[in-house]
Amino acid sequence: SQQGEEDPQALSIQEGENATMNCSYKTSINNLQWYRQNSGRGLVHLILIRSNEREKHSGRLRVTLDTSKKSSSLLITASRAADTASYFCATDGAGGSYIPTFGRGTSLIVHP
Amino acid sequence: DTEVTQTPKHLVMGMTNKKSLKCEQHMGHRAMYWYKQKAKKPPELMFVYSYEKLSINESVPSRFSPECPNSSLLNLHLHALQPEDSALYLCASSQDRRAQETQYFGPGTRLLVL
Repeated sequence: SQQGEEDPQALSIQEGENATMNCSYKTSINNLQWYRQNSGRGLVHLILIRSNEREKHSGRLRVTLDTSKKSSSLLITASRAADTASYFCATDGAGGSYIPTFGRGTSLIVHP
Repeated sequence: DTEVTQTPKHLVMGMTNKKSLKCEQHMGHRAMYWYKQKAKKPPELMFVYSYEKLSINESVPSRFSPECPNSSLLNLHLHALQPEDSALYLCASSQDRRAQETQYFGPGTRLLVL
């Protein structure tokens, strides 16, 4: 069963703009991860945020986590055409299950 | 080396065929995963191996049979598949199954069942 729900499902922006994607989940977590997938290819890990962290940065990526609202956001600043991909959040299962569960994903298109 | 390799890249098989998907990593990871991904959907976990032992089977039909011959290799044996099993099959590995562990994914095998 899916744990995370990304929002929006699709996002279309111009190069240079910022892109924000949101992820909501249902059960408690140990960590939340964001992955990127280019069309029909494997997933690439972008960033991991632990349940005791609120914000994390990596290059042009900024991830926030609000455990009280069971939600996370991924911000890509100064987007590039090469950022066009699907983005998924993934949660593990707290309580020792450690079953990775992916959200439905956001499809991002960045127009040059 | 942070690469997970998968072979073949593409596979077409009939419903009576037997085939195998292969996955290999040389990162010393002790957890390996099989996922199934349909078009425009998220990956769905199928199996998890931890220290070469099957630790999770997400109620996958028996026509899919996983095997972990050693800590670097993971196979998925396919037999009597149905057309609805056509999908991208992704392999991943992580240091182990604990939380805080990043998964490294292979490029996938695109399977078409006729």
